Amino acid sequence: DIQMTQSPSAMSASVGDRVTITCRASQGIRSYLAWFQQKPGKVPKRLIYAASSLQSGVPSRFSGSGSGTEFTLTISSLQPEDFATYYCLQHNSYPRTFGQGTKVEIK
Amino acid sequence: EEQLVESGGGLVQPGGSLRLSCVASGLTFSNYWMSWVRQTPGKGLEWVANIMQDGTEKYYVDSVNGRFTISRDNAKNSLYLQMHSLRVEDTAVYYCVRENPYYNKLDSMDVWGQGTTVTVFS
Repeated sequence: DIQMTQSPSAMSASVGDRVTITCRASQGIRSYLAWFQQKPGKVPKRLIYAASSLQSGVPSRFSGSGSGTEFTLTISSLQPEDFATYYCLQHNSYPRTFGQGTKVEIK
Repeated sequence: EEQLVESGGGLVQPGGSLRLSCVASGLTFSNYWMSWVRQTPGKGLEWVANIMQDGTEKYYVDSVNGRFTISRDNAKNSLYLQMHSLRVEDTAVYYCVRENPYYNKLDSMDVWGQGTTVTVFS
């Protein structure tokens, strides 16, 4: 199975900060990588697909980059509504695997 | 509006069975791979199984292989997960998720249902 390792697991940040979350795959996954945001009690919401394509309706402060084994999700200027847990997902091979999540908290 | 609505969750004892259902609306169900993803209380997300558009290919995570069966009925815009030999560790919220269409493998998991809760208790 492909292991997806996110870093950090948790972080504290302030409104307006630039935030970067990394996801490393244990094997190459080309660009079959998506990022999700989940708020407490809510359904995961896709932000990025194909490693760098922005989901329709998602603010442009979110961006994704990378291919192969290393990927990043960047929030250019953190907003109050962005405090949540973020997950990466690889769908290059079976089983599909998620990262363990990165919780972004208010500093 | 594209929507997935799950049902069928509940309380069950270890060794028991449940059948989850998911009904799709507002989307061309038969164009898409479909999957089940679960989330254990306070924990992360785990992909469980998926099924090809015509039902001919199915894949499972090892922990449920042989116990769970995914199926679909395109005429009813419905996805199912038959779960047997349930274990305490199967306790989770189960989400029905739209995977990629046949024409774009990179565009996957964009639509999620609200989830249905399965609790396996001894």
